[in-house]
Amino acid sequence: NAGVMQNPRHLVRRRGQEARLRCSPMKGHSHVYWYRQLPEEGLKFMVYLQKENIIDESGMPKERFSAEFPKEGPSILRIQQVVRGDSAAYFCASSLTGTSLDTQYFGPGTRLTVL
Amino acid sequence: GENVEQHPSTLSVQEGDSAVIKCTYSDSASNYFPWYKQELGKRPQLIIDIRSNVGEKKDQRIAVTLNKTAKHFSLHITETQPEDSAVYFCAATTGNQFYFGTGTSLTVIP
Repeated sequence: NAGVMQNPRHLVRRRGQEARLRCSPMKGHSHVYWYRQLPEEGLKFMVYLQKENIIDESGMPKERFSAEFPKEGPSILRIQQVVRGDSAAYFCASSLTGTSLDTQYFGPGTRLTVL
Repeated sequence: GENVEQHPSTLSVQEGDSAVIKCTYSDSASNYFPWYKQELGKRPQLIIDIRSNVGEKKDQRIAVTLNKTAKHFSLHITETQPEDSAVYFCAATTGNQFYFGTGTSLTVIP
């Protein structure tokens, strides 16, 4: 009974490079959420996706960040031209129905370090 | 949008004592309130949740209370143990997006 999977667990990039973070939801879940956690801070919502659709991206920076959840394969959070301020832990979560009565289960996170 | 405030930011208790963490929220439409425990370097783990049609929920040493009128909810941990040491986050949601508090770092002193 695999939980939410994320890879890589740790990612180091130099300024200006691209970072690609992957998230595979729990089996049977088709709703994926991405959160960012800065050191010593709480979790900040970035984007909510269903298969092939972005439902709510109100927490995503307007530039350099994009997310997708294709029909097949994991959800991808892409950060282009990374800057030092992008260094954070990025968590994805998944839920079964996507309603407010449904729990979100978190993956182990990807810790991005930008040099 | 929703605004969740959490207090205290740090909390130290002696082993065996109780710990209480409080959260307030702003959107009266919020109807689901989970609590997550995050150990250093690990994922947030759901420990207990409460829905708006319930005032209190208990699971062994952990309990959560909800006051919808005052728009606040609290986590209570009794008989604390060293393994309870972690950061605890409350959250509130009206739908898809979870709004998290800023976290409480709990230290249980043996």
